[in-house]
Amino acid sequence: GEDVEQSLFLSVREGDSSVINCTYTDSSSTYLYWYKQEPGAGLQLLTYIFSNMDMKQDQRLTVLLNKKDKHLSLRIADTQTGDSAIYFCAESNSSASKIIFGSGTRLSIRP
Amino acid sequence: NAGVTQTPKFQVLKTGQSMTLQCAQDMNHNSMYWYRQDPGMGLRLIYYSASEGTTDKGEVPNGYNVSRLNKREFSLRLESAAPSQTSVYFCASSGQGYGSPLHFGNGTRLTVT
Repeated sequence: GEDVEQSLFLSVREGDSSVINCTYTDSSSTYLYWYKQEPGAGLQLLTYIFSNMDMKQDQRLTVLLNKKDKHLSLRIADTQTGDSAIYFCAESNSSASKIIFGSGTRLSIRP
Repeated sequence: NAGVTQTPKFQVLKTGQSMTLQCAQDMNHNSMYWYRQDPGMGLRLIYYSASEGTTDKGEVPNGYNVSRLNKREFSLRLESAAPSQTSVYFCASSGQGYGSPLHFGNGTRLTVT
């Protein structure tokens, strides 16, 4: 079945860029998402990208999609302490009515 | 605008007890979902409801039942709780059309002793 994989942890220095990576197996993925989860809260949609795009930029966030390698990344520029959270990659395709999530990457910020 | 509301926020059960987790959304969304979140395993889909009156199994449905009471409400029932069901449970909803992003509630933290 479909699978989405992410590394579990990432630590970056405040002010640096963070790059969170994700790979997926479903070649018919149509939408790919990044969600953010802060402690004690549900997931919030950060951004998403259609599979016919290879890049999307939204303020400090840049999403890159390599459809050939089935690789998605999220770059956060000028990382701040408020960016500390778990970031989930997810995908869906037009034949499924559900979204498949990765296991999440915990981003920690050091001073 | 409340979005997706889940109750309760916390619950402790003894093995064998039953309970129902409640979820309601006020965004007029057609689809609703129940996920569980366990450390290192991300979110796993338990059940979903693509529209009022329909429900389908997800990845990990065993030990759970659901009811789509109306368009707004989607409840999850544990008939006989087991320690393996200790988890954080999230309800989510999404609007019309495939690819519509999910909107999540704040979760219910359940411990089964």
